[in-house]
Formats: sequence, C-alpha cells, structure tokens
Amino acid sequence: GENVEQHPSTLSVQEGDSAVIKCTYSDSASNYFPWYKQELGKRPQLIIDIRSNVGEKKDQRIAVTLNKTAKHFSLHITETQPEDSAVYFCAGVERGGKLIFGQGTELSVKP
Amino acid sequence: EAGVTQSPTHLIKTRGQQVTLRCSPISGHTSVYWYQQALGLGLQFLLWYDEGEERNRGNFPPRFSGRQFPNYSSELNVNALELEDSALYLCASSLWGVTAGRDYNEQFFGPGTRLTVL
Repeated sequence: GENVEQHPSTLSVQEGDSAVIKCTYSDSASNYFPWYKQELGKRPQLIIDIRSNVGEKKDQRIAVTLNKTAKHFSLHITETQPEDSAVYFCAGVERGGKLIFGQGTELSVKP
Repeated sequence: EAGVTQSPTHLIKTRGQQVTLRCSPISGHTSVYWYQQALGLGLQFLLWYDEGEERNRGNFPPRFSGRQFPNYSSELNVNALELEDSALYLCASSLWGVTAGRDYNEQFFGPGTRLTVL
C-alpha cells in the first residue's frame, strides 16, 4: 500500500519568511495529493491539493509542487504570518481511494 | 450547507467499557471515513464506509467496528476500551464512491470526538 513520509516534524520561521514542507510517497499510481492544516483544537481543513497531471498549483501565498519521477511533493508558504502557525499534513491516495497521511509538521511562525 | 457533524464532543469512559461515536456527513456525500488522532500523533486511518458497505479498514483490532446507515450517517463502536484508545476521533466525508466514479477524493472533516479512557 501507499506510504507517505513527511519532513520536517517541526518548523520554526520568522514572520515574513517562507516555509517549505516536503513529503515523499511510495505508490507510483497515486494521483491525488492534498494538504491539510490543523489549528490547535480544531479539525483538519483542506488548504490545497494537486493531481498528478500537473506539476505545480498556487493559491495566493500557498503553492504545492509535485515531482512524479522522484515521488515527492512539497508545500510552500510565502510571506508567513502568525496565523499560519498550525500542524500541516500531506496525504497520498492508496489504490481504491483511501487517504494515507504523513506524520504532520508543526509550523510555528514567530512575530 | 452544514458541514460534517459529530457527537458527542467529549466522552470519558473507563477501561473495559464500550463506546459509540456518531457522524453525520455533508448532505449528498456517500463516503464516511474514521480516523484516530492520538495526542502528538498523526491521523491514523480506521475505517471507510461507502454506500452502506465497509470499503477498507486500517490496522486496528476487531474491537473497533462501525456501520453506515441508509442516510449515510455512521457509527464507530469501540469495545473493551483500553487506556491507549484515548484520542480524538475524527470523521470525514467525501463524494467518492462507486456512484461518483472518482479516483481521488476531497475529504471534509468533522470537529471530532475527544475520548478519554481512565
């Protein structure tokens, strides 16, 4: 089945700096890669996703890149703000539609 | 449009007891997923129901079970509770399924049920 590895587990940046979180996956047939943000005490919420037929997708300060050959994808947050502080999860889709999540990255943006 | 709802919000049980958690998906969604999120850990897949049938289950013992009703709401049952079952149990719903014909799914999460086992 699919296995998703996520790094780093914690990330601390200064407000205004960029943050990058990386994930690798094992199943070359995976074709959908969502990113979820979970603020303290709240539910995970989808912030951006990418399908395997595109290499990059951007939504304002957030972008995701996908390298199918290397089987890795990354989340890029530019001009970070304190409200970006949260745990971020990447995921891959196992055959049949089951999402497999990475271990999570705790992002801390210091003002 | 209402989001995914879960009940109860919090629950305290003792070892050996049984618990039932409930989830109502977004209207029109046929798939319901259950996840366990223990403190400091990630999202561990528990169960997936679609169109009333169990489609997949994660690496959890048989004392974790559930079902999906004709209105697509779902229950998660945990028997013989153990201390390590203490966690946030999250339910998510999506449109994926045989009827949707998709090979990917956007899952929407509920607020979760915080279970504490003493």
